[in-house]
Amino acid sequence: SQQGEEDPQALSIQEGENATMNCSYKTSINNLQWYRQNSGRGLVHLILIRSNEREKHSGRLRVTLDTSKKSSSLLITASRAADTASYFCATASDNDMRFGAGTRLTVKP
Amino acid sequence: NAGVTQTPKFQVLKTGQSMTLQCAQDMNHEYMSWYRQDPGMGLRLIHYSVGAGITDQGEVPNGYNVSRSTTEDFPLRLLSAAPSQTSVYFCASSASGGSSYNEQFFGPGTRLTVL
Repeated sequence: SQQGEEDPQALSIQEGENATMNCSYKTSINNLQWYRQNSGRGLVHLILIRSNEREKHSGRLRVTLDTSKKSSSLLITASRAADTASYFCATASDNDMRFGAGTRLTVKP
Repeated sequence: NAGVTQTPKFQVLKTGQSMTLQCAQDMNHEYMSWYRQDPGMGLRLIHYSVGAGITDQGEVPNGYNVSRSTTEDFPLRLLSAAPSQTSVYFCASSASGGSSYNEQFFGPGTRLTVL
């Protein structure tokens, strides 16, 4: 069964707008990771946030983690058409790594 | 560096046939894993390995075998293909150190259809 649940399932925005995706999970974790997948391609790692971190930035990406609520969010600022892809959260624990079903982001030029 | 490579890119099998999906990485990563991705779903872990000679089952191991004789290679064997194994298969690797689940590097995938 999947550990992470992304919300929304699909998101459509205009270029230049911000995109926010959420991930909820059920059990304790070592870290949480976000990946991007372009259509028909392999996943590409975006950012990793450890369980003792609350916020992390990487370029136009901002990730937050709330372990008390078992949730994370990914914010993409000033989106571009090239950001169109599926985004997955993955929760990592000692024995397992589980991916959510993903959020399909469409950025319209 | 080629990163993580997978062959073949596409494969069609008949029910009951067996085959091996190849995966290789040139980053000297200790940790390697196999996932399957079904339409509209995330990835599910099939098998993983934390080093040469060591393998373990993931979430959906039934019908699949793996071995890890070298650091570089991690083949996935389908013993007797079934239509339920129609999927896209991804191999991934990562450097170990503390948690086995650091940043993972993914191959381009193998699209398998079982008739």
